[in-house]
Amino acid sequence: KAGVTQTPRYLIKTRGQQVTLSCSPISGHRSVSWYQQTPGQGLQFLFEYFSETQRNKGNFPGRFSGRQFSNSRSEMNVSTLELGDSALYLCASSLAGTTGTDTQYFGPGTRLTVL
Amino acid sequence: DQQVKQNSPSLSVQEGRISILNCDYTNSMFDYFLWYKKYPAEGPTFLISISSIKDKNEDGRFTVFLNKSAKHLSLHIVPSQPGDSAVYFCAASGRGTGTASKLTFGTGTRLQVTL
Repeated sequence: KAGVTQTPRYLIKTRGQQVTLSCSPISGHRSVSWYQQTPGQGLQFLFEYFSETQRNKGNFPGRFSGRQFSNSRSEMNVSTLELGDSALYLCASSLAGTTGTDTQYFGPGTRLTVL
Repeated sequence: DQQVKQNSPSLSVQEGRISILNCDYTNSMFDYFLWYKKYPAEGPTFLISISSIKDKNEDGRFTVFLNKSAKHLSLHIVPSQPGDSAVYFCAASGRGTGTASKLTFGTGTRLQVTL
């Protein structure tokens, strides 16, 4: 079974631009979560989508948004990029994310560099 | 507020010996705990998990122990192999908080297994 895939793997943008990252979950997984990893803050939860609806949200500004499609694929968007948005963005998928014992499997991440 | 803590940023162990990685948490609503292994520029790889109804879970060379009263868990790797060298993250989620899909990560412990 194919794992979680993320595109693109690397991205370079300039301040003020916007960016869209894509994530395809493991087949059959309906929950997609996004995380940001930075050296200073570690791995932080951005948001989670299930059945095309945002079900959980972390403590990030409104510049960070996402959506999920009917095939469970998800995109996240960051508008008005800031230097501090440079990070590894990770997507994780799980079956349903409701039981408390539903393991999340991560993709390889998208490395975003903001200049 | 760091709800999941890994107080040892690094650990060095000889090949064949036991590696013990520790993790403490403060949120009593956490009821599912996971360990992930991560290489640079890659997504975390799921290793092993434990539900709060158990105090031990084994999978091959990996064993996770949970002490709920102390809010402490540990990952034992026996025997340690050079390929185990990576950063290990402890993560927790809380079904009772309605955020089963939101993982809270520790800051990671870099394990180096020497020959």
